[in-house]
Amino acid sequence: GAVVSQHPSRVICKSGTSVKIECRSLDFQATTMFWYRQFPKQSLMLMATSNEGSKATYEQGVEKDKFLINHASLTLSTLTVTSAHPEDSSFYICSARSGGASRAFFGQGTRLTVV
Amino acid sequence: QKEVEQDPGPLSVPEGAIVSLNCTYSNSAFQYFMWYRQYSRKGPELLMYTYSSGNKEDGRFTAQVDKSSKYISLFIRDSQPSDSATYLCAMIDTGANSKLTFGKGITLSVRP
Repeated sequence: GAVVSQHPSRVICKSGTSVKIECRSLDFQATTMFWYRQFPKQSLMLMATSNEGSKATYEQGVEKDKFLINHASLTLSTLTVTSAHPEDSSFYICSARSGGASRAFFGQGTRLTVV
Repeated sequence: QKEVEQDPGPLSVPEGAIVSLNCTYSNSAFQYFMWYRQYSRKGPELLMYTYSSGNKEDGRFTAQVDKSSKYISLFIRDSQPSDSATYLCAMIDTGANSKLTFGKGITLSVRP
């Protein structure tokens, strides 16, 4: 399958700081990327959908000013958690897809801990 | 009613058993169906991707789709301890920005 690389895999930051997570599609052009959040023993919760060159579409209840998403190229999307707080601690996962209904491939996930 | 319902588990089986994992859905617009495997603290890994009703086989894994009953299954033959993971079904509604809708996932444990 296609490769999606997510970085960093783990990050610890102080409350009030911002953290950037990168998601790269290594061997295909990702026209659409998705960002998910996953709590322990729960399924993935979609946060936002981003299409290359367009503003991200956020799911209801997700603060777009807190979770900044940039999808400037067909191989890179970034999620920035601004002014992070302990309740933002979670597992964040990106997914990339090359077409409207084609299969989606996931990154390895980023475990964010805000102290 | 949630759009996708997945048996909650957890499920524990002995090595070599046949495992059956199931999801039901209510949205007739779902056209593409996937099964993902997720190991602890890792991103989901795509196992199977199907479109039409029927069976699709890949090694020890068989994905089955019954669109008339809105029911999908994943069968694992000769299960191995390395199959121990969380399995998530996912579906695409091509009319709704092609978002993936996931089941809650079921945790499978294969005992040696």
